[in-house]
Amino acid sequence: SAVISQKPSRDICQRGTSLTIQCQVDSQVTMMFWYRQQPGQSLTLIATANQGSEATYESGFVIDKFPISRPNLTFSTLTVSNMSPEDSSIYLCSVGLGDEQFFGPGTRLTVL
Amino acid sequence: GENVEQHPSTLSVQEGDSAVIKCTYSDSASNYFPWYKQELGKRPQLIIDIRSNVGEKKDQRIAVTLNKTAKHFSLHITETQPEDSAVYFCAASSGGTSYGKLTFGQGTILTVHP
Repeated sequence: SAVISQKPSRDICQRGTSLTIQCQVDSQVTMMFWYRQQPGQSLTLIATANQGSEATYESGFVIDKFPISRPNLTFSTLTVSNMSPEDSSIYLCSVGLGDEQFFGPGTRLTVL
Repeated sequence: GENVEQHPSTLSVQEGDSAVIKCTYSDSASNYFPWYKQELGKRPQLIIDIRSNVGEKKDQRIAVTLNKTAKHFSLHITETQPEDSAVYFCAASSGGTSYGKLTFGQGTILTVHP
């Protein structure tokens, strides 16, 4: 597996503002993913962030709303832009090691 | 794209009983099927997985079975304990350009009563 950390662990933000979430891994990984988990719901993939290429977004998610950076093999950021209360969720990064995927602890975002 | 259906949404058992959670998937190209356990306020933890070239896999009290023809797979927990109480998610992943992308089921809330 891998040791994955996220910052911040939680935040409360005002609508219209943006928040950048950081994901750090203790080893170099090619594949990183960002998921959203709305309260009491399952996990939904936002985008795949592979180093050296543009992030690939899933249907319903766009780069202007969720810009992603992947500057190296151990780090990625997800920005939630122009937030509204509907963006209140847990955001999780994950890393792929072969077929297996391991999750970070998540960032709990509340938008007022 | 892939669609994963999971049942039941809630499952309540007595300690020591068995629990079974079932999932179906739609994409015949899917070839990797992990199961995650998520305790309240925690991250999803990978507990077992199975690949399409295997029909069954067991790890102590948990086992997973896969029926590729019917496109369904199941999680079996035997001799349940209160600490097994959590939300369980199944997922499916395919290769090719979708390699690594996991599509999750809706989740099953398992409660084990002492």
